[in-house]
Order: sequence, then C-alpha cells, then structure tokens
Amino acid sequence: GENVEQHPSTLSVQEGDSAVIKCTYSDSASNYFPWYKQELGKRPQLIIDIRSNVGEKKDQRIAVTLNKTAKHFSLHITETQPEDSAVYFCAASISFGNEKLTFGTGTRLTIIP
Amino acid sequence: NAGVTQTPKFRILKIGQSMTLQCTQDMNHNYMYWYRQDPGMGLKLIYYSVGAGITDKGEVPNGYNVSRSTTEDFPLRLELAAPSQTSVYFCASSPGARTSGKETQYFGPGTRLLVL
Repeated sequence: GENVEQHPSTLSVQEGDSAVIKCTYSDSASNYFPWYKQELGKRPQLIIDIRSNVGEKKDQRIAVTLNKTAKHFSLHITETQPEDSAVYFCAASISFGNEKLTFGTGTRLTIIP
Repeated sequence: NAGVTQTPKFRILKIGQSMTLQCTQDMNHNYMYWYRQDPGMGLKLIYYSVGAGITDKGEVPNGYNVSRSTTEDFPLRLELAAPSQTSVYFCASSPGARTSGKETQYFGPGTRLLVL
C-alpha cells in the first residue's frame, strides 16, 4: 500500500519568514495530494490540495508544489503569522474508487513572534 | 448544515467494556471514514464506506467494527476495549462523486477515548 513520509517533524520559524514542509510518497498511482492543518485540540481542516495534472497551486500565502517524477510534494507558507502555528499533515490518495487517504506523520510548526 | 458530528466528545472505558462511537453527516456525502490519532502521531484509517451497506477495512481495523445502514450515519463499535485503543477518533466524509472536490474529506470534532 501507499506510504507517505513527512519532514521535518518540528519546525520553528520567525514571524514573517517562510516555512517549507516536504513529503514523499511511494505509490506512483497516487494522484491527489491534500494538506491539512490541525490546531491543538481541533479537527484537521483542509488548507490546500493538488492533483497530479498540476505542478503548482497557490492560495494567498500558501502554495503546494508536486514533482511526480521524484514522487514528492511540498507545502510552502510565506510571510508566516502566529496563527499559522499548528500541526500540518500531508496525505496522498488514488483519486478514483474510495479516495482513501494515507497521511504523513505531521509537522509541528511554531511561529516565533 | 452541521457538517460531520460525533458523539460522545470524551469517554472513559474499563478494559473489556464495549461502546459505540456515533458519527453523522448532513452533507449527503457518499463516502465516510473512521481514523484514529494517537498522541503526536498522524491519522490512521480504521474503516471506510463508499455507500450505504458497503464497508471495508482500512489500515488498523482489528478490534473495531462498523456498519452503514444509512447515508448519514457511520457508527464505530469497540467490542472489547483494550488500553491500546486509547486514542482520539475522527470521523470524516467526502462527496465521493464525479464532481469537483469529490476527494475533499471533512472531519468531525473527534471523540477522545481513554481505556483504563
């Protein structure tokens, strides 16, 4: 089955700087890659996703890039703010059939004021 | 729309007891999922369903059972609780149809379970 690895496990950046979180996946058939943000004690919430027919997607300060050949994808957060502090999870799935997601182990991002 | 709701929010069980975690969604989603999240870890899929009457095992199904008699409800049953089942349980749903955004999973608020 699919295996998703996520790095780093913790990340601290100064407010205003950029943060990058990287994930690799094992199943070349995977074609849907979402990123979820989970604040302490809350449910995971989708912040951005990308499909395999696209190399990059942006939404304001957040962007995701995908390299299908290397089987890795990354989350980029620019101009970080204190409210960006949370745990971020990447995931991968094959987008037909049951849409099962395989999650990475998460990155705890801390924004230092 | 309430989205995905879960009950209870928190429960303490004794070893060997049974319980059912309830999950309901009012978005008419076809697909529903149960995950567990151990402290400091990612989410692992327990069971999923692609429609009423259809369920299948995920990555960590042992010790759990599910049923899907309606589109809205997807209860998770623990028959003989063990300390290893101490975790936070999240239910999720997705449209699962041939529409834009069909893969997006929406999560419930979670149920925190402690088995002692």
